[in-house]
Amino acid sequence: GESVGLHLPTLSVQEGDNSIINCAYSNSASDYFIWYKQESGKGPQFIIDIRSNMDKRQGQRVTVLLNKTVKHLSLQIAATQPGDSAVYFCAENDQAGTALIFGKGTTLSVSS
Amino acid sequence: AAGVIQSPRHLIKEKRETATLKCYPIPRHDTVYWYQQGPGQDPQFLISFYEKMQSDKGSIPDRFSAQQFSDYHSELNMSSLELGDSALYFCASSGRDRDLYEQYFGPGTRLTVT
Repeated sequence: GESVGLHLPTLSVQEGDNSIINCAYSNSASDYFIWYKQESGKGPQFIIDIRSNMDKRQGQRVTVLLNKTVKHLSLQIAATQPGDSAVYFCAENDQAGTALIFGKGTTLSVSS
Repeated sequence: AAGVIQSPRHLIKEKRETATLKCYPIPRHDTVYWYQQGPGQDPQFLISFYEKMQSDKGSIPDRFSAQQFSDYHSELNMSSLELGDSALYFCASSGRDRDLYEQYFGPGTRLTVT
């Protein structure tokens, strides 16, 4: 399952599917991007980050893609599991030590 | 590994009362950030401190103030509370021991104003 192009507030997938969550950012000067996972009633949890001098970065089961031309960021989750169900936020930063600007979250629901 | 600690975890106040939220950053982190998250909303930046000095300011109401102490913990003081202040308040910290860009969030304080 995936949400391609425009940001979608919700994404429902089956366990084992690959998920793609999209995010558009606004500041062309941003040089650092992060994906956070937030479970209900908890704080945002760091997943993966990428700097503007890269276009792809891989972690464990997750990949972040950055397209600076269209100011688009995506998070790919491989073999999605029920424990991946949460709200996912992208965030951008144009200077170390300053505030993060969060995008609209996407609620990922994974069914068994 | 030690994480960001926030207290209290839950707080119920009445309108026009005051509230103080506390944040203890990850050891050796010198920068603290405060965010407010309303129901179903994305976190909104309020204010940040680096080495006990205010470093960045966002959409923090004039009724709110904050400071960072010599041990790097921070407190967010909220006065004349309004119903609209009901939200989750997160503290995040960053430091030069890892990467100043990386902000690690605490579990949050849920404030309910009645």
